[in-house]
Amino acid sequence: AIRMTQSPSSLSASTGDRVTITCRASQGISSYLAWYQQKPGKAPKLLIYAASTLQSGVPSRFSGSGSGTDFTLTISCLQSEDFATYYCQQYYSYPPSFGQGTKVEIK
Amino acid sequence: QITLKESGPTLVKPTQTLTLTCTFSGFSLSTSGVGVGWIRQPPGKALEWLALIYWDDDKRYSPSLKSRLTITKDTSKNQVVLTMTNMDPVDTATYYCAQSRDYGDSYFDYWGQGTLVTVSS
Repeated sequence: AIRMTQSPSSLSASTGDRVTITCRASQGISSYLAWYQQKPGKAPKLLIYAASTLQSGVPSRFSGSGSGTDFTLTISCLQSEDFATYYCQQYYSYPPSFGQGTKVEIK
Repeated sequence: QITLKESGPTLVKPTQTLTLTCTFSGFSLSTSGVGVGWIRQPPGKALEWLALIYWDDDKRYSPSLKSRLTITKDTSKNQVVLTMTNMDPVDTATYYCAQSRDYGDSYFDYWGQGTLVTVSS
């Protein structure tokens, strides 16, 4: 099974900051990577798929990059509604697997 | 508009079998490429992929839980059912169902609200 490792596990940031979250796969997954945002008590929401394709309706301040084993999610200008936990997921091979999450907190 | 909703017991006893139903609307599980999966999340922990069933009845399971899981679909009722046998307190989690729109691209576009299942005697 492919292991997904996110870093950092948590971070503190202020509104307006640029935030970058990293996801590393234990083996190459091409661009078969998705990013989700989850707020407390809510279901995850798809932000990005195919490593860099923005899901319809997701603000353009979110972007994704990477291929192979190393990926990043960037929020260019953090808004108050972006404080949440973010998960990466590989779907290159079964079973699909998620990272452990990165919690973005208010500084 | 695509919606999914999970239903089932909120409390099960250890060793019992859990049956969860995902009722969806806005898409058909007879459409080529479409799948519905189950993902769970223990309180305060990360997401864990469990199982997925495709439009053609292809079924995929988490290897670590495969012996305990069964996923089925009823296309006419727009439902997917997950059963998990021999429940244990470590299975306490919020269980989500979600739609995967394309075979081979098994990320999840739409999610249900989730249902919290507690395993306790």
